[in-house]
Amino acid sequence: NAGVMQNPRHLVRRRGQEARLRCSPMKGHSHVYWYRQLPEEGLKFMVYLQKENIIDESGMPKERFSAEFPKEGPSILRIQQVVRGDSAAYFCASSGQTYEQYFGPGTRLTVT
Amino acid sequence: SQQGEEDPQALSIQEGENATMNCSYKTSINNLQWYRQNSGRGLVHLILIRSNEREKHSGRLRVTLDTSKKSSSLLITASRAADTASYFCATVNISGTYKYIFGTGTRLKVLA
Repeated sequence: NAGVMQNPRHLVRRRGQEARLRCSPMKGHSHVYWYRQLPEEGLKFMVYLQKENIIDESGMPKERFSAEFPKEGPSILRIQQVVRGDSAAYFCASSGQTYEQYFGPGTRLTVT
Repeated sequence: SQQGEEDPQALSIQEGENATMNCSYKTSINNLQWYRQNSGRGLVHLILIRSNEREKHSGRLRVTLDTSKKSSSLLITASRAADTASYFCATVNISGTYKYIFGTGTRLKVLA
């Protein structure tokens, strides 16, 4: 049973470009969480999704950030018009009915 | 901010010594987990302790939980250079969307 997959593992974008981060949950999991980790800090919750629904987006910046988890395919975290402050590691986690989360390896976004 | 805090922020010890790090949190929890993160890498789950447990062991790790003080400690005995990493606690609230609230982390350095 493959773990949580994230791609790309590293992403470099210039200021103003769009970044798309993908997360494939573990097989059988229908809950996805996204977290952001700034350098030298802990992870901070961004958004919690179930298939086709955003359940809790209390940690999402109000502008430029969006997330989706379609019926088919991976969950996508989209950052429009990236700025240097968006440079961070973005982790995805998935869970099944027990709500115990399993983390992916992360995507490291660098904005130049 | 709901984020918990680890103490100390950084710790440097000699190989063979014990390392103790503490975590404080703010809300009532369902469980508390400890993770390790090597520099620039993903999270490694170490141990989970439920709110009705007071102490748990796993190999060289010992975790305690005091819900009345809203605090937990992680003890690593007989430390090794390979234990050099950042250590984070994460709590899950008893109500809400089961998002994890991470602490700020303790950066442990074990000198050979």
